Amino acid sequence: GEDVEQSLFLSVREGDSSVINCTYTDSSSTYLYWYKQEPGAGLQLLTYIFSNMDMKQDQRLTVLLNKKDKHLSLRIADTQTGDSAIYFCADLFSGGYNKLIFGAGTRLAVHP
Amino acid sequence: KAGVTQTPRYLIKTRGQQVTLSCSPISGHRSVSWYQQTPGQGLQFLFEYFSETQRNKGNFPGRFSGRQFSNSRSEMNVSTLELGDSALYLCASSQPSATGPDSYEQYFGPGTRLTVT
Repeated sequence: GEDVEQSLFLSVREGDSSVINCTYTDSSSTYLYWYKQEPGAGLQLLTYIFSNMDMKQDQRLTVLLNKKDKHLSLRIADTQTGDSAIYFCADLFSGGYNKLIFGAGTRLAVHP
Repeated sequence: KAGVTQTPRYLIKTRGQQVTLSCSPISGHRSVSWYQQTPGQGLQFLFEYFSETQRNKGNFPGRFSGRQFSNSRSEMNVSTLELGDSALYLCASSQPSATGPDSYEQYFGPGTRLTVT
């Protein structure tokens, strides 16, 4: 079946850039997403990218998509302590309506 | 505009009981999806409803069911609860796109934390 994989943990210093990586297997993928989850909360949609794009920038967030390698990354510039959370990569499953396939999540820890 | 709301936020049930969770989508959104989040299995798709019809179903036993009402509110039901059903249940809503029934943006509610003892 379709799969999405992410590294589980990332630690960065406050003010540095963070890069969270994700790979997916769905060769017919159309949309890919990044969600953020803080403790005890639901999922917050951060950004998404259409598969015919290579890059999308939204304020401090930059998404890069390498469709050939099925690799997606999220760069957070000037990382702040408030960015500490779990970040999920998700693929809009091409075989069904509105079904998202999620990675296991990357826990981002920001330290002073 | 109000976000996705889920009730109740927390629930404690005993094995063998049944439970009903509710989700109210963002106003104007007609698609509601449900997900189960557990530490072991992560986020898994349960089912999706659009205009009161189930369009997609994940790989869960028949004890998990759902429905959608004409106002787009959705409920999911779990019968004969098992310890392994303890999880955070999240619902997501999306609105129809200009070109079809599906939008690319799905917004999640805060979830219902179900504990089965």
